[in-house]
Amino acid sequence: DIVLTQSPGTLSLSPGEAATLSCRASQTVPDNLVAWYQQKAGQAPRLLIYHTATRATGIPDRFRGSGSGTDFTLTISRLEPEDFAVYYCQQYDHSRHTFGQGTILEIQ
Amino acid sequence: QVQLQQSGPGLVKPSQTLLLTCAISGDSVSGNSVAWNWIRRSPSRGLEWLGRTFYRSKWHNDYAVSVKSRITINPDTSKNQFSLQLNSVTPEDSAVYYCARYWDNVGTLDYWGPGILVSVSS
Repeated sequence: DIVLTQSPGTLSLSPGEAATLSCRASQTVPDNLVAWYQQKAGQAPRLLIYHTATRATGIPDRFRGSGSGTDFTLTISRLEPEDFAVYYCQQYDHSRHTFGQGTILEIQ
Repeated sequence: QVQLQQSGPGLVKPSQTLLLTCAISGDSVSGNSVAWNWIRRSPSRGLEWLGRTFYRSKWHNDYAVSVKSRITINPDTSKNQFSLQLNSVTPEDSAVYYCARYWDNVGTLDYWGPGILVSVSS
C-alpha cells in the first residue's frame, strides 16, 4: 500500500495568515488521485479537494490543492477562524484508500 | 443530497462480533458509479479504510489487508443500506466507525456518515 506522510504534525498560525500543508507519498500516486479532508471535533471528515486540485462543491477558493507524483500540497490563502481543524490527505490506489496521519492546524 | 446514517452497538465484548449498519438516502446501494465504504478512526491508527462493496453487473468487495480475515461488508438492497461485520474483536478495534460513499466522478469518498463510537471492552 502507498503510505502518506503529512507535515508538519502541528501548524500554529493566526487568522489572516496563509497555511501550507504537505503530503508525501511513498510511491507515485496513480492518476494523481489525491484528496484532502478537513475534520473538526465530533464531526465526520469533509471533502475539500479531489483529483489533487479540484475543489469540492461549496468549498471556498481560499483552499487550493496542488502537486503531482509523490508530493502534494494544500494551501489555505487567508485563514478564517473556522479553518482551524485537522487536515488529512488521502489517496486511492488499486481499489484501496490510505490516509495520512493528519496535520493539526491550531490558532496561535 | 446524499445522507448516510450508521447504527449499531456502542459496546462490544472482546472476541465477539461487531455489526454496524449504514442507511443510505439520496442514492442507491446498487448504483453503478458508486461504492460503499467503511472507515474507522482511532488514536493509535488514525484514519483507516476497512473495505467496500459495490455493484458492477454483480456485487464486489474489497478489504484492507489488516482486517481481511475478519471482515464482511454486505449490501441490503431491500433496505438500501450496507453493513459491516467484524469478527473476533479486540480492544484494538475500538474506534469511531464511519460509512462513506465513493463516487467515480470524484475518485474519492465524498459523503460520510456522522460516525459511531464503538468500544471493545469486557
